[in-house]
Amino acid sequence: KNEVEQSPQNLTAQEGEFITINCSYSVGISALHWLQQHPGGGIVSLFMLSSGKKKHGRLIATINIQEKHSSLHITASHPRDSAVYICAVSHGGSQGNLIFGKGTKLSVKP
Amino acid sequence: DTGVSQDPRHKITKRGQNVTFRCDPISEHNRLYWYRQTLGQGPEFLTYFQNEAQLEKSRLLSDRFSAERPKGSFSTLEIQRTEQGDSAMYLCASSLVPSNMGYTFGSGTRLTVV
Repeated sequence: KNEVEQSPQNLTAQEGEFITINCSYSVGISALHWLQQHPGGGIVSLFMLSSGKKKHGRLIATINIQEKHSSLHITASHPRDSAVYICAVSHGGSQGNLIFGKGTKLSVKP
Repeated sequence: DTGVSQDPRHKITKRGQNVTFRCDPISEHNRLYWYRQTLGQGPEFLTYFQNEAQLEKSRLLSDRFSAERPKGSFSTLEIQRTEQGDSAMYLCASSLVPSNMGYTFGSGTRLTVV
């Protein structure tokens, strides 16, 4: 079992829909990261959080430390949101190591 | 600052050749990380530096791989005697610790070994 699990693996939505991507982890963490990767490889950091909730534009990230679970929500989705969304955790036992999930491929249809 | 830069963007090499990639982090960042990503998978940690010191290496980093950050600024990742299994996207990231800021990633170097 991977230390960071994401669901779903693939997600297709219609423009305007509310989207939720889930991430569960099994290790002690100091922080959880949500990343966005477009075709071609570039990764953009969306959020880094260790508790509670953060919001940036149409994106909302929440984390429940007790349940070792985080969600990324996209409101009013748009085709330009189509990308791979990756959850990664800063592992408490390794100061430099990010442990990544396999990613959720999101496709938003117009 | 233009973010994290990686060079080259793409590299095609013949099996057995040596390749070297370069990463220029954000200048204020003291940590620099290398990751490898294969198709359909999340990135995997290879190694990281704090300033010029290489603090951690993954078991993935075989003897054919070496990374340096000689002056605590840019870093190089060299792969000797490349194998087809080395074909992947090599990602560099940097961060400032301690801080509340996250990681900044480069666009990656895509290596194809033929």
